[in-house]
Amino acid sequence: EAGVTQFPSHSVIEKGQTVTLRCDPISGHDNLYWYRRVMGKEIKFLLHFVKESKQDESGMPNNRFLAERTGGTYSTLKVQPAELEDSGVYFCASSQDQAGLITGELFFGEGSRLTVL
Amino acid sequence: ILNVEQSPQSLHVQEGDSTNFTCSFPSSNFYALHWYRWETAKSPEALFVMTLNGDEKKKGRISATLNTKEGYSYLYIKGSQPEDSATYLCAQPSGNTPLVFGKGTRLSVIA
Repeated sequence: EAGVTQFPSHSVIEKGQTVTLRCDPISGHDNLYWYRRVMGKEIKFLLHFVKESKQDESGMPNNRFLAERTGGTYSTLKVQPAELEDSGVYFCASSQDQAGLITGELFFGEGSRLTVL
Repeated sequence: ILNVEQSPQSLHVQEGDSTNFTCSFPSSNFYALHWYRWETAKSPEALFVMTLNGDEKKKGRISATLNTKEGYSYLYIKGSQPEDSATYLCAQPSGNTPLVFGKGTRLSVIA
Protein backbone atom coordinates (compact mmCIF):
# COMPACT_ATOMS: atom_id res chain seq x y z
CA GLU A 1 0.00 0.00 0.00
CA ALA A 2 1.39 3.39 -0.98
CA GLY A 3 2.05 5.85 1.80
CA VAL A 4 1.41 9.56 1.82
CA THR A 5 3.19 11.11 -1.13
CA GLN A 6 4.12 14.73 -1.60
CA PHE A 7 5.33 16.66 -4.60
CA PRO A 8 7.68 18.38 -5.19
CA SER A 9 10.24 17.21 -2.69
CA HIS A 10 12.05 20.51 -2.99
CA SER A 11 11.13 23.80 -4.59
CA VAL A 12 13.28 26.92 -4.89
CA ILE A 13 11.46 30.07 -5.95
CA GLU A 14 11.96 33.80 -5.77
CA LYS A 15 10.03 36.09 -3.52
CA GLY A 16 6.77 37.05 -5.17
CA GLN A 17 6.42 33.88 -7.18
CA THR A 18 3.77 31.22 -6.74
CA VAL A 19 4.25 27.63 -5.68
CA THR A 20 1.77 24.79 -5.46
CA LEU A 21 2.46 21.79 -3.29
CA ARG A 22 0.59 18.56 -3.71
CA CYS A 23 -0.28 15.78 -1.29
CA ASP A 24 -1.72 12.38 -2.08
CA PRO A 25 -2.96 10.76 1.12
CA ILE A 26 -3.25 7.06 1.71
CA SER A 27 -6.19 5.74 -0.27
CA GLY A 28 -9.37 5.71 1.78
CA HIS A 29 -8.15 8.23 4.34
CA ASP A 30 -10.78 10.90 4.80
CA ASN A 31 -8.65 13.08 7.08
CA LEU A 32 -5.82 15.09 5.59
CA TYR A 33 -3.62 17.51 7.50
CA TRP A 34 -1.08 20.08 6.42
CA TYR A 35 1.75 21.07 8.74
CA ARG A 36 4.79 23.30 8.34
CA ARG A 37 8.19 23.34 10.00
CA VAL A 38 10.21 26.51 9.77
CA MET A 39 13.89 25.93 10.53
CA GLY A 40 14.59 25.83 14.24
CA LYS A 41 10.96 25.82 15.21
CA GLU A 42 8.31 23.25 15.90
CA ILE A 43 6.12 21.55 13.31
CA LYS A 44 2.98 23.67 13.26
CA PHE A 45 -0.50 22.74 12.19
CA LEU A 46 -1.90 24.58 9.18
CA LEU A 47 -5.23 22.98 8.37
CA HIS A 48 -7.34 19.86 8.38
CA PHE A 49 -9.62 18.45 5.71
CA VAL A 50 -12.31 15.87 6.22
CA LYS A 51 -12.95 14.61 2.72
CA GLU A 52 -13.26 17.79 0.66
CA SER A 53 -14.35 20.04 3.54
CA LYS A 54 -12.05 22.24 5.59
CA GLN A 55 -12.59 21.11 9.16
CA ASP A 56 -10.12 23.52 10.70
CA GLU A 57 -7.94 26.11 9.00
CA SER A 58 -6.98 28.00 12.13
CA GLY A 59 -3.28 27.45 11.52
CA MET A 60 -3.12 29.05 8.08
CA PRO A 61 -0.71 32.00 8.42
CA ASN A 62 -2.49 34.45 6.12
CA ASN A 63 -4.48 34.77 2.93
CA ARG A 64 -1.44 34.10 0.75
CA PHE A 65 -2.00 30.43 1.53
CA LEU A 66 -4.81 28.54 -0.19
CA ALA A 67 -5.52 24.85 0.32
CA GLU A 68 -7.93 22.76 -1.67
CA ARG A 69 -9.03 19.17 -1.74
CA THR A 70 -11.44 18.88 -4.60
CA GLY A 71 -13.15 15.51 -4.73
CA GLY A 72 -11.78 14.57 -1.35
CA THR A 73 -8.71 12.84 -2.72
CA TYR A 74 -5.44 14.69 -3.19
CA SER A 75 -4.87 18.14 -1.79
CA THR A 76 -2.94 21.17 -2.97
CA LEU A 77 -1.46 24.01 -0.98
CA LYS A 78 -0.73 27.15 -2.95
CA VAL A 79 1.41 30.01 -1.71
CA GLN A 80 0.89 33.20 -3.68
CA PRO A 81 2.87 35.42 -3.58
CA ALA A 82 5.62 33.66 -1.67
CA GLU A 83 7.60 35.58 0.96
CA LEU A 84 10.98 34.79 2.52
CA GLU A 85 9.39 33.67 5.80
CA ASP A 86 7.42 30.98 3.97
CA SER A 87 10.56 28.90 3.61
CA GLY A 88 10.34 25.61 5.45
CA VAL A 89 9.24 22.02 5.14
CA TYR A 90 5.56 21.46 4.45
CA PHE A 91 4.29 18.12 5.68
CA CYS A 92 1.09 16.37 4.79
CA ALA A 93 -0.42 13.64 6.94
CA SER A 94 -3.50 11.48 6.67
CA SER A 95 -5.60 9.23 8.83
CA GLN A 96 -8.70 7.16 8.32
CA ASP A 97 -10.55 8.98 11.05
CA GLN A 98 -9.88 11.62 13.67
CA ALA A 99 -9.30 8.94 16.24
CA GLY A 100 -5.95 8.58 14.55
CA LEU A 101 -4.81 11.49 16.66
CA ILE A 102 -5.33 9.33 19.73
CA THR A 103 -4.52 5.86 18.42
CA GLY A 104 -1.51 6.95 16.44
CA GLU A 105 -2.80 5.94 13.04
CA LEU A 106 -1.54 9.18 11.55
CA PHE A 107 0.82 8.86 8.60
CA PHE A 108 3.14 11.54 7.33
CA GLY A 109 4.62 12.19 3.93
CA GLU A 110 8.27 13.05 3.40
CA GLY A 111 7.52 16.73 3.18
CA SER A 112 8.02 19.38 0.52
CA ARG A 113 10.95 21.67 1.25
CA LEU A 114 10.26 25.22 0.09
CA THR A 115 13.06 27.73 -0.24
CA VAL A 116 12.08 31.31 -1.05
CA LEU A 117 14.98 33.52 -2.17
CA ILE B 1 -2.80 27.20 23.89
CA LEU B 2 -1.18 23.82 24.41
CA ASN B 3 2.58 24.06 24.82
CA VAL B 4 4.79 21.03 24.35
CA GLU B 5 8.41 21.48 25.42
CA GLN B 6 11.35 19.23 24.60
CA SER B 7 14.82 19.17 26.05
CA PRO B 8 17.60 19.21 25.27
CA GLN B 9 17.36 20.94 21.90
CA SER B 10 20.32 18.93 20.61
CA LEU B 11 22.52 16.17 21.86
CA HIS B 12 25.79 14.59 20.74
CA VAL B 13 26.68 11.15 22.07
CA GLN B 14 29.31 8.55 21.33
CA GLU B 15 28.34 5.29 19.71
CA GLY B 16 27.42 2.80 22.41
CA ASP B 17 26.33 5.41 24.94
CA SER B 18 22.81 5.37 26.29
CA THR B 19 20.86 8.60 26.29
CA ASN B 20 17.49 10.06 27.12
CA PHE B 21 15.48 13.19 26.51
CA THR B 22 12.36 14.79 27.84
CA CYS B 23 8.99 15.94 26.62
CA SER B 24 6.93 18.16 28.94
CA PHE B 25 3.29 18.98 28.44
CA PRO B 26 0.32 20.32 30.39
CA SER B 27 -1.11 17.58 32.58
CA SER B 28 -4.71 18.76 32.28
CA ASN B 29 -7.01 17.48 29.51
CA PHE B 30 -4.54 14.81 28.49
CA TYR B 31 -5.49 12.50 25.61
CA ALA B 32 -2.34 10.93 24.27
CA LEU B 33 1.33 11.54 23.65
CA HIS B 34 3.06 10.69 20.40
CA TRP B 35 6.78 10.18 19.82
CA TYR B 36 8.12 10.46 16.28
CA ARG B 37 11.53 9.94 14.78
CA TRP B 38 12.37 12.21 11.87
CA GLU B 39 15.31 12.07 9.52
CA THR B 40 15.63 14.98 7.12
CA ALA B 41 14.01 14.30 3.73
CA LYS B 42 12.11 11.34 5.15
CA SER B 43 8.65 10.95 6.67
CA PRO B 44 8.35 11.40 10.41
CA GLU B 45 8.08 7.84 11.67
CA ALA B 46 5.75 7.05 14.54
CA LEU B 47 7.59 5.41 17.44
CA PHE B 48 5.03 5.30 20.22
CA VAL B 49 1.58 6.49 21.15
CA MET B 50 1.05 6.54 24.88
CA THR B 51 -2.25 7.15 26.59
CA LEU B 52 -2.13 5.86 30.17
CA ASN B 53 -0.26 7.24 33.14
CA GLY B 54 2.65 4.93 33.89
CA ASP B 55 2.75 3.55 30.35
CA GLU B 56 6.09 2.13 29.30
CA LYS B 57 6.67 1.16 25.69
CA LYS B 58 9.65 -0.39 23.97
CA LYS B 59 10.77 -0.86 20.40
CA GLY B 60 14.17 -2.47 20.11
CA ARG B 61 16.70 -0.26 21.88
CA ILE B 62 14.26 2.62 22.21
CA SER B 63 11.79 2.91 25.07
CA ALA B 64 9.51 5.57 26.50
CA THR B 65 7.73 6.28 29.74
CA LEU B 66 4.77 8.50 30.50
CA ASN B 67 3.73 10.46 33.58
CA THR B 68 0.47 12.26 32.89
CA LYS B 69 0.08 13.56 36.46
CA GLU B 70 3.27 15.59 36.33
CA GLY B 71 3.17 16.11 32.57
CA TYR B 72 6.30 14.53 31.16
CA SER B 73 7.53 11.67 29.03
CA TYR B 74 11.05 10.33 28.68
CA LEU B 75 12.50 8.69 25.60
CA TYR B 76 15.47 6.40 26.18
CA ILE B 77 17.90 5.00 23.65
CA LYS B 78 20.15 2.22 24.86
CA GLY B 79 23.51 1.70 23.19
CA SER B 80 23.15 4.50 20.63
CA GLN B 81 24.16 3.72 17.06
CA PRO B 82 24.93 6.15 14.22
CA GLU B 83 21.66 5.19 12.55
CA ASP B 84 19.81 6.57 15.58
CA SER B 85 20.87 10.06 14.53
CA ALA B 86 17.65 11.94 13.86
CA THR B 87 15.32 14.50 15.36
CA TYR B 88 12.97 13.04 17.95
CA LEU B 89 9.63 14.79 18.17
CA CYS B 90 6.87 14.53 20.70
CA ALA B 91 3.35 15.71 20.03
CA GLN B 92 0.03 15.85 21.78
CA PRO B 93 -3.51 16.16 20.51
CA SER B 94 -5.72 18.57 22.40
CA GLY B 95 -9.39 17.76 22.14
CA ASN B 96 -10.26 18.13 18.48
CA THR B 97 -7.09 20.07 17.79
CA PRO B 98 -4.63 18.19 15.62
CA LEU B 99 -1.24 17.34 16.97
CA VAL B 100 0.76 20.05 18.72
CA PHE B 101 4.47 19.34 18.37
CA GLY B 102 7.49 20.23 20.42
CA LYS B 103 10.58 21.63 18.69
CA GLY B 104 12.28 18.27 18.85
CA THR B 105 15.56 16.95 20.16
CA ARG B 106 18.23 16.56 17.51
CA LEU B 107 20.41 13.56 18.29
CA SER B 108 23.80 13.02 16.68
CA VAL B 109 25.57 9.73 17.38
CA ILE B 110 29.28 9.86 16.68
CA ALA B 111 30.95 6.65 15.57
